[in-house]
Amino acid sequence: AQSVAQPEDQVNVAEGNPLTVKCTYSVSGNPYLFWYVQYPNRGLQFLLKYITGDNLVKGSYGFEAEFNKSQTSFHLKKPSALVSDSALYFCAVRDMHEIYNQGGKLIFGQGTELSVKP
Amino acid sequence: GAGVSQSPSNKVTEKGKDVELRCDPISGHTALYWYRQSLGQGLEFLIYFQGNSAPDKSGLPSDRFSAERTGGSVSTLTIQRTQQEDSAVYLCASSLTRLAEGSNEQFFGPGTRLTVL
Repeated sequence: AQSVAQPEDQVNVAEGNPLTVKCTYSVSGNPYLFWYVQYPNRGLQFLLKYITGDNLVKGSYGFEAEFNKSQTSFHLKKPSALVSDSALYFCAVRDMHEIYNQGGKLIFGQGTELSVKP
Repeated sequence: GAGVSQSPSNKVTEKGKDVELRCDPISGHTALYWYRQSLGQGLEFLIYFQGNSAPDKSGLPSDRFSAERTGGSVSTLTIQRTQQEDSAVYLCASSLTRLAEGSNEQFFGPGTRLTVL
């Protein structure tokens, strides 16, 4: 079965410091991996995705994520955090092995609350 | 262009009443999804429409929940005989995903916050 784990409910970072939001996944086939961000009282916004190719993916707002197949991880990173980055972050996976059966369904992690303090 | 829109933004109802939630996807998007976001529960997949194919209803939590998509565009999620545990934010998303192709990201609407008293 497909699953996504975000082991940290909350991450606290000082402004200007690097940030990491962790994500690990479990699929039977090859994964398509996504990060979304949710600001208060807003819908989810797409940040970046890994489909194939380079393991380091760059996305919106200076975020990047590294796909690590051996560790089944897709951690979200940013070199220098901003207070405005404070939000709820979701990792999601789509299992390509299952796509013929399950179509476009995304499996989401539980979310990680990122708090960046001045 | 316009994004995914949902209405109403907030809905308060009494236990046992039926509710309808509406989603207008991005024009031209063939795939439409409904998710439920409950406090502390993350995002839960409910149902997925792809073009003219039969919808994937595997995430609907009970037979009180149903959804339809008319004309390949607007979708309505209906919850019958609402219960307090149905209280959540219901999110709709759309994408260009074609059947059996999964690389396109989903674009989410702002959600409908449902409160069942």
